[in-house]
Amino acid sequence: DGGITQSPKYLFRKEGQNVTLSCEQNLNHDAMYWYRQDPGQGLRLIYYSQIVNDFQKGDIAEGYSVSREKKESFPLTVTSAQKNPTAFYLCASSIRPFGYGYTFGSGTRLTVV
Amino acid sequence: KQEVTQIPAALSVPEGENLVLNCSFTDSAIYNLQWFRQDPGKGLTSLLLIQSSQREQTSGRLNASLDKSSGRSTLYIAASQPGDSATYLCAVSLGGSQGNLIFGKGTKLSVKP
Repeated sequence: DGGITQSPKYLFRKEGQNVTLSCEQNLNHDAMYWYRQDPGQGLRLIYYSQIVNDFQKGDIAEGYSVSREKKESFPLTVTSAQKNPTAFYLCASSIRPFGYGYTFGSGTRLTVV
Repeated sequence: KQEVTQIPAALSVPEGENLVLNCSFTDSAIYNLQWFRQDPGKGLTSLLLIQSSQREQTSGRLNASLDKSSGRSTLYIAASQPGDSATYLCAVSLGGSQGNLIFGKGTKLSVKP
């Protein structure tokens, strides 16, 4: 079955450490997205990519980095520069453009320890 | 800047009741509007997508309407069931070269048996 796989489901980060969240899709979607969700809040866009080897900053990109070397993969690195990284991270993909066929992964919960 | 607001933030109803969730957006220049469902600790599931040229979409017991000129959408759930308990999120797509969505904070629905 086609879908989006995020791993790990839970991740713990020590102060000053970089961590990478994995996102893989087999839907053949061109566009992929990373969103952050805090308790009681809507989703906020971190980065998005419309095509391989290209990506754009979203509303809250500071302290995060991404790569898009393959169509199927869009990993997110949370760097030590992100001062408040504890949140629920959701990866999504869609048919480019216009947001059709939006499909979400099951999320990664990141906690700073 | 586009802003999406959902009212109420939380709603508790007895099983079998018909209910309406509200979503409003500040800029009527949207390409489409989508309603999603999110279960606790999970990703989002797409429920309905309404094109900007459409007035409503239906799927089973769900009906979503769109009044673009007034910046409003409603999600109507008929004969609610305990399994409908979840958070419902509204999101608008701005179209153009971007596929990213602007989300509201959601309405947390609890249906009591």
